[in-house]
Amino acid sequence: DTEVTQTPKHLVMGMTNKKSLKCEQHMGHRAMYWYKQKAKKPPELMFVYSYEKLSINESVPSRFSPECPNSSLLNLHLHALQPEDSALYLCASSPRTGQPQHFGDGTRLSIL
Amino acid sequence: GIQVEQSPPDLILQEGANSTLRCNFSDSVNNLQWFHQNPWGQLINLFYIPSGTKQNGRLSATTVATERYSLLYISSSQTTDSGVYFCAPKGNMLTFGGGTRLMVKP
Repeated sequence: DTEVTQTPKHLVMGMTNKKSLKCEQHMGHRAMYWYKQKAKKPPELMFVYSYEKLSINESVPSRFSPECPNSSLLNLHLHALQPEDSALYLCASSPRTGQPQHFGDGTRLSIL
Repeated sequence: GIQVEQSPPDLILQEGANSTLRCNFSDSVNNLQWFHQNPWGQLINLFYIPSGTKQNGRLSATTVATERYSLLYISSSQTTDSGVYFCAPKGNMLTFGGGTRLMVKP
């Protein structure tokens, strides 16, 4: 069981759709992260939020839009994605940036 | 950024065997985590080990920060140990190595 909860577990969407991925933690962590993982590759950092403020954006295309509405919740809004965006999207949290990260089970995204 | 190299890239073991996985990194780090990603994609924390040695059951890890490497030991391997093991040292941010893909055969 994981203390970082991601929904949905699987998502299939067309290139013109708009959808959102959700990540929730109730451990009181103040740093939250989005990673993208392609098949047979390591996770790659996309965004970092620290105290609900975006602190790192690793040159991610604007079709990915993160949002941190409160300290427990992190969203990733998706719009006009491309087939190459199909991947496992992992959310993580840590007490503060630089401290051990705990990962959710991920959302497996397929773009048709 | 930090360069992280893990070896071996692939490993096949017979159940009950022991193994050592290695992680080399190119720069000073503030901390280092080892993860196991199971065949379903779940990324499980194994160790947070910026330096020294830790043990958890059949697994143990050692980091020698001054020499820029970390080792993960798996003893008496089981089929449930199969998956990918990632080392992730942290400089500015957590940087994942390429992983060691482990298959344990019954």
